[in-house]
Amino acid sequence: GESVGLHLPTLSVQEGDNSIINCAYSNSASDYFIWYKQESGKGPQFIIDIRSNMDKRQGQRVTVLLNKTVKHLSLQIAATQPGDSAVYFCAEISGNQFYFGTGTSLTVIP
Amino acid sequence: ETGVTQSPTHLIKTRGQQVTLRCSSQSGHNTVSWYQQALGQGPQFIFQYYREEENGRGNFPPRFSGLQFPNYSSELNVNALELDDSALYLCASSWPGQGAGGYTFGSGTRLTVV
Repeated sequence: GESVGLHLPTLSVQEGDNSIINCAYSNSASDYFIWYKQESGKGPQFIIDIRSNMDKRQGQRVTVLLNKTVKHLSLQIAATQPGDSAVYFCAEISGNQFYFGTGTSLTVIP
Repeated sequence: ETGVTQSPTHLIKTRGQQVTLRCSSQSGHNTVSWYQQALGQGPQFIFQYYREEENGRGNFPPRFSGLQFPNYSSELNVNALELDDSALYLCASSWPGQGAGGYTFGSGTRLTVV
């Protein structure tokens, strides 16, 4: 089965700095990757997605990078704010199933 | 437009009991997926229902079962509860072809088995 993992379980950044959250995946056949944000007591919230035929996609303050050669995905958050504190998950879609990684807990220090 | 609502929000059950969790899909969504999220882990796919039929299942035993109703709401049933079933159960609704951006999660039901 698929395996999606994250390099770091926790990350602390100063408010205003940029954050980078990394993710490794194992299924080279996956063609769609997603980043989710999960705040305490809530379900995962979609942030941004990227297809395997792309290597970069930008949203509002977020950028996702995909390196298929090394099966690596990253989420960059610009000018991190206290409201960005949450657990971030990468996920890959295979068929109709989403395979989530373990998650990285991001803490923003004011 | 309403989001995905789940009930109850919290539940405590005894090992061996049965539990039913409920999910109301977002307006216009005909597909519902259920996930189990253990503490400190990512969500794990249980199964998906599309137009009242099971449309894919993860690595969960048969004591995890579900239903989808004509209004696209859904239930997750777990029989013979085990301590390891303690988790946050998430429901997500979607419309085929929407992509991940249209996949909306509820806030979950926190199940504790004692």
